[in-house]
Parts: sequence; structure tokens; C-alpha cells
Amino acid sequence: AQSVAQPEDQVNVAEGNPLTVKCTYSVSGNPYLFWYVQYPNRGLQFLLKYITGDNLVKGSYGFEAEFNKSQTSFHLKKPSALVSDSALYFCALRLSYNTDKLIFGTGTRLQVFP
Amino acid sequence: DAGVTQSPTHLIKTRGQQVTLRCSPKSGHDTVSWYQQALGQGPQFIFQYYEEEERQRGNFPDRFSGHQFPNYSSELNVNALLLGDSALYLCASSSLRDGSYEQYFGPGTRLTVT
Repeated sequence: AQSVAQPEDQVNVAEGNPLTVKCTYSVSGNPYLFWYVQYPNRGLQFLLKYITGDNLVKGSYGFEAEFNKSQTSFHLKKPSALVSDSALYFCALRLSYNTDKLIFGTGTRLQVFP
Repeated sequence: DAGVTQSPTHLIKTRGQQVTLRCSPKSGHDTVSWYQQALGQGPQFIFQYYEEEERQRGNFPDRFSGHQFPNYSSELNVNALLLGDSALYLCASSSLRDGSYEQYFGPGTRLTVT
């Protein structure tokens, strides 16, 4: 069965340092992968996606993610964290042959300290 | 250009009651999906509407039903409310025709069942 795992409930990083939020997936076909961010009392905001092509995808607010098929991972990265990046981050999977149904991970809370 | 809007923002209901939540999609979008996000969890897919028909359904009981109107807006109805239905209900809109695979989420409706 298809699934998404975010192994870290929380990631702490100092402002200015690089950050990584981890995501692994399980699927039998080709995955479409997404990262969303959720701020308090807000809906989910789209950050970036991998559909096909270059394994390194760039998204909003300086975030990027690397698709690794052999490790079934899609980790979110940013070279220099900002305090304003503090939020809840969700990795999501959509099956390429399916409709718009997204399967979400449980989320990782990113805390950036000044 | 208005994004996805949802109403109401908050709702408190009693067990056994019925509730209707509303969603207006982003301009240009023709597809609406509904998700349930329980506290501390990732969103779970409820169902999707396209061309006024339910196109796909997640693992939710028949107490959850929906509707899509000719202007693409949508309603989510939940009958015989249970305490476990307390959650943030998110609406997401997309366009099956633009090939972007991106879903845009509204701010959600917080439902509390007492």
C-alpha cells in the first residue's frame, strides 16, 4: 500500500543554518511528490513538487527538495533557515495513475531559533 | 484573484447533529477535494468532486456526503456527528485540465463536536 513517512516529529535549527526535513515514501508505481507548509490557524500552502525530470526541484521561499528513487526519499532543504520558516511541514504523495487524492505524512514541526 | 475560501471558520455541534461546510474554489479551478485533519495528524482524503459528481472517495463512512454546484463550489455534509468527527476540515481546489497537479487549500473549518 502507498504511504508517506516523516520520521521526525520536530526539527530544531538555528537561524542561518541549513535545514533538512525528511520524507520517505512507499509506492508501487511512479510517485508524484509534494511539500506543503501549514502556519497556525491556516490552511496548507504549496511549496514544491516533483513530477518527473530533474531530481532537484526548487520551490517557494528558497526551499528545494531532492527526489531519490533508490532511497525512496524526498527530503526538503533550505540553505539558510529563517525564524519565519517555523511552521508545520507536510510531505504528500499522489499516485501518477490516480486522481487528485493526496496521501500525507504526519507532519514535521520546524522550529528555527534566533 | 481570490483563493480558496471556506465557511464557516469555526463550528460547534452536539453529537448526533448534522453539519454543512462550504467551499469556493480558486478562480479557474473545476475540481474540489475535501480532507479531514485531526489534531496532530496529516490531512486524510474524504472525497473529490468534478463536474458535479463524486469522482473518488477515501475511507470515510456514508455519513460523509458532498455536493458540487454548477459554479464549482462545494458542500461537505456530515450526519449523525460523533465526537471523533472533531477536526479541521480542509477544502482543496485544482484544475484537471491544466496538468499542474497542484492543489490549493483553503484555511479550513474547525469543527468541534461536544
